[in-house]
Amino acid sequence: GDSVTQMEGPVTLSEEAFLTINCTYTATGYPSLFWYVQYPGEGLQLLLKATKADDKGSNKGFEATYRKETTSFHLEKGSVQVSDSAVYFCALAGGSNYKLTFGKGTLLTVNP
Amino acid sequence: DGGITQSPKYLFRKEGQNVTLSCEQNLNHDAMYWYRQDPGQGLRLIYYSQIVNDFQKGDIAEGYSVSREKKESFPLTVTSAQKNPTAFYLCASSKKRLAGSPDTQYFGPGTRLTVL
Repeated sequence: GDSVTQMEGPVTLSEEAFLTINCTYTATGYPSLFWYVQYPGEGLQLLLKATKADDKGSNKGFEATYRKETTSFHLEKGSVQVSDSAVYFCALAGGSNYKLTFGKGTLLTVNP
Repeated sequence: DGGITQSPKYLFRKEGQNVTLSCEQNLNHDAMYWYRQDPGQGLRLIYYSQIVNDFQKGDIAEGYSVSREKKESFPLTVTSAQKNPTAFYLCASSKKRLAGSPDTQYFGPGTRLTVL
């Protein structure tokens, strides 16, 4: 079945540092890939998505490129802010049903 | 503003009691979903519904029930048969999927259920 593996946290960075959160997936066919963000006590917000190979999703300074050859969708940001502190989830949607498959999440803490 | 509302935000129940969590959306989305989130884990799908009066079990449906009588509403009942119900429950919705194009799911703010 489908699966998503993302780097385990927690990840702690200083403000303005470079961020990478690794995400790899296993799926049949051509899934769509997503990054969601969850702030403390809240639901998930869509951060970015990519629907086909070599697509780059971007939003709020975050980027991720759909790499079919390495089955990866790593999240990057060039300069993090304290307000980026949250849990980040990588997810895929594929196959003939509506199901989203999530990674376990990565907690990011950015210190001033 | 369009969106998804879940109520209540916090819910407490005694063991052996059933409890119903509300989920309403005004996005005119056809599909709705319920997920469970436990600490340190990703989200797991409980039930989903692609159309009114129809729903399917997800990965962890045991001890839960749902109904879909209206397009905008998808309530989840946590029954006494659910062995470990304390968790954060998230509702989501999406447009009806077109062939070859999975649609983005949008999430509500969640309900935190605690069994006392």
